[in-house]
Order: sequence, then C-alpha cells, then structure tokens
Amino acid sequence: EAEVAQSPRYKITEKSQAVAFWCDPISGHATLYWYRQILGQGPELLVQFQDESVVDDSQLPKDRFSAERLKGVDSTLKIQPAELGDSAMYLCASSFARSNTEAFFGQGTRLTVV
Amino acid sequence: RKEVEQDPGPFNVPEGATVAFNCTYSNSASQSFFWYRQDCRKEPKLLMSVYSSGNEDGRFTAQLNRASQYISLLIRDSKLSDSATYLCVVNIPDDYKLSFGAGTTVTVRA
Repeated sequence: EAEVAQSPRYKITEKSQAVAFWCDPISGHATLYWYRQILGQGPELLVQFQDESVVDDSQLPKDRFSAERLKGVDSTLKIQPAELGDSAMYLCASSFARSNTEAFFGQGTRLTVV
Repeated sequence: RKEVEQDPGPFNVPEGATVAFNCTYSNSASQSFFWYRQDCRKEPKLLMSVYSSGNEDGRFTAQLNRASQYISLLIRDSKLSDSATYLCVVNIPDDYKLSFGAGTTVTVRA
C-alpha cells in the first residue's frame, strides 16, 4: 500500500536553532499539504502545494517558516529559528487532486523545542 | 464562525453501545466531506468519505444534511478498539483546501 513518507519521526532541538522536515508524498499525488497539530486540537494547514507551486500559505509564519517542493515531488519544511511555541506534530499529507479528494497522511514529525 | 465545528466530547460509552456525534460546517458551497480517525499521538487516517445519500461501512454510518450544514457519524456495537478521536474534514471550495474540526473523542470502556 502506497504511503506518505516523513522524516524524522521525532526531533528535539534547542530554541533559536534551525530544523527541517522532509516529506515524500504518494506517487502521482499532485497536491501536498503541511499541517501543524497541537495536542488536543485539529490539524492546522500551514502550506499547500499544487505540483511545485504554493497555492496557500496564508497561515505559514513566513518570518521563520519556509517550505519548498522544487520538483513537484518531495517537500521540505524548515523552521529558523525555532521557538518554544513551535513544539507540535508536523504532518504531511498528499492527495490526487485539490481539496475534493481525500488526503493521506504520513506518520508525522513530533517536534520538541527546548 | 469556525469553518468546521465539532462537539469535543468525550463520549464515554460501554462496549456494544451505539454512539453518534455531529459536525457542522459554515460554507454552504462545500462539496466533499470526510471522517478521519486519529489515535493518540498518531497521524489521522481516513475512516470514510461522506456521500450525499449517506453511506455505511460495517458498523459505521455517515450522513450528510446539506440543509442544516452538518454531517454525522454513528458507530454501532462499539468495540474497545473504536476508542479514538474522530476528525471531521470539509473542503473549502473557494480556497481549494481541506479544513479540519478539532475532533470528537470517543472512549469505549469494557
């Protein structure tokens, strides 16, 4: 069964350091999402790609967060500098088409900023 | 008003019971609806899509009420393994995005 791959699974970093997460979507999925989920809340969309283009990054804190999907396949989400409030689960998901089809999630990266 | 709202619960039910809960959405133009299941500290997993005519998958039944803008999930004959958080997901057509509710927690006790 095809899966969304994410790495690392866990990351502990000190505040003010840089951190990066990687995601490889299901093959053939043009849409890729990065979500952040704080314990007890639903996932919050950070950025959405359609192929290599960003279609929604309205909730991405652009002063410290960046995301890219250069070849329209895998993607990297970076935080620099990390802050204590960034501690959360970062989930990557992909779907075949924009919004009308279901999204499939990777296992996520649990980030702890100390 | 939030795009998607859910009763957070928790719904605490005995094995074998039926439990049902709703999710309301604000955008009347939304066309796609899903229920996801999320176990503690795990990723959300698609449970089922919700179709206009309603649909059933084993012990799970989903309904859509467009007039009142809500979807529902009913679980029959609850199992211990059904204990999880159930996330309601609705597409936001103007923004081409999927919006998640905060989740409804269900705990099934022996």
